[in-house]
Amino acid sequence: DGGITQSPKYLFRKEGQNVTLSCEQNLNHDAMYWYRQDPGQGLRLIYYSQIVNDFQKGDIAEGYSVSREKKESFPLTVTSAQKNPTAFYLCASSISGQPQHFGDGTRLSIL
Amino acid sequence: RKEVEQDPGPFNVPEGATVAFNCTYSNSASQSFFWYRQDCRKEPKLLMSVYSSGNEDGRFTAQLNRASQYISLLIRDSKLSDSATYLCVCPNTGGFKTIFGAGTRLFVKA
Repeated sequence: DGGITQSPKYLFRKEGQNVTLSCEQNLNHDAMYWYRQDPGQGLRLIYYSQIVNDFQKGDIAEGYSVSREKKESFPLTVTSAQKNPTAFYLCASSISGQPQHFGDGTRLSIL
Repeated sequence: RKEVEQDPGPFNVPEGATVAFNCTYSNSASQSFFWYRQDCRKEPKLLMSVYSSGNEDGRFTAQLNRASQYISLLIRDSKLSDSATYLCVCPNTGGFKTIFGAGTRLFVKA
């Protein structure tokens, strides 16, 4: 079954710790995206990648980093520089001009 | 002006009602648009694509008005299960970066 898999579903971060959220897709999509959603708010774009080994900052990239070493994978690292990381993180993928498909998200909280 | 704007609602309607949402966009070069549905604490899921001729799928109809730069979503005969947040989406002209509206919340009551 084709789709996008995010893991873990829930993640807790300690003060000063970096954590990495996984996103894997087997849809053969070129583009992948990371969004952050706070309670009652819309989606905000963190980073996106159009092709392997290339990615661009979105609207709220500060405190986050990504890599795109393989077409299927687009991990997001939430660094200790992100002072308010508690949120729902969504990964998506798409073909140019087509709708994005989403994973079922990772909820990140601070311990 | 925001690139994509939606009325946040909430819209509270009784079962069986017809309800319509509008979404305005600023990029006049955009060719296609999408409506997504997001349930509480879940990921967004594609509801409908919106092209120049509009689109209808059962109780749902989406229309595009290029002159006024808005798209609309009409839901007929509302069901309790239609309660959700509806997101309007506008891909940019390059096709990759996509702008999501903040969403319109709908509550359908018995």
